[in-house]
Amino acid sequence: RKEVEQDPGPFNVPEGATVAFNCTYSNSASQSFFWYRQDCRKEPKLLMSVYSSGNEDGRFTAQLNRASQYISLLIRDSKLSDSATYLCVVRSISGGYNKLIFGAGTRLAVHP
Amino acid sequence: GAGVSQSPSNKVTEKGKDVELRCDPISGHTALYWYRQSLGQGLEFLIYFQGNSAPDKSGLPSDRFSAERTGGSVSTLTIQRTQQEDSAVYLCASSLEAGKGTVNEQFFGPGTRLTVL
Repeated sequence: RKEVEQDPGPFNVPEGATVAFNCTYSNSASQSFFWYRQDCRKEPKLLMSVYSSGNEDGRFTAQLNRASQYISLLIRDSKLSDSATYLCVVRSISGGYNKLIFGAGTRLAVHP
Repeated sequence: GAGVSQSPSNKVTEKGKDVELRCDPISGHTALYWYRQSLGQGLEFLIYFQGNSAPDKSGLPSDRFSAERTGGSVSTLTIQRTQQEDSAVYLCASSLEAGKGTVNEQFFGPGTRLTVL
């Protein structure tokens, strides 16, 4: 089983739609959680961190459920520019090393 | 300021040849990571350098892969006797690491696209 699992998609949605991505992680000792965004043939960039209490950044809302080891990202009022792959990322300390584990990503395509 | 830079941006090589990929992290970033991303796949962790500590090499797929980080700055990833399955985008990232429990963003370079014929 992969340490971070995501639905690969693609999610094809019209502009203005609300879309939610889910992610599960297997290491209960994981400490920090993030969503990264990767545009086609570009490098990943941090979208937002995910906090236990849930957090919002404009149209984006991230939530964490530690008991279920589950992370989500909600995008409201989708824009064409939101089309990208969204990577769920989990940070763990293993053997004294910090390590970010990336999910394979969920692809979003927003159409007019 | 300058971000993470990588060179070359593209590398085409023949099976069996050695290649060297270079990463220049953001100045002052103590942590440096190498990842590999195959077409349509997620990021595969390869190796992690943190300051003067011994690197975490747990992600290197075989002994043909090695990496160095000289002077705590520039890093070189070397792949010996390349195979076709080594074809991928090799991404480098750096971050400030202030210790356990600190949340630090990783900044990625544009990657090196390696094609092994």
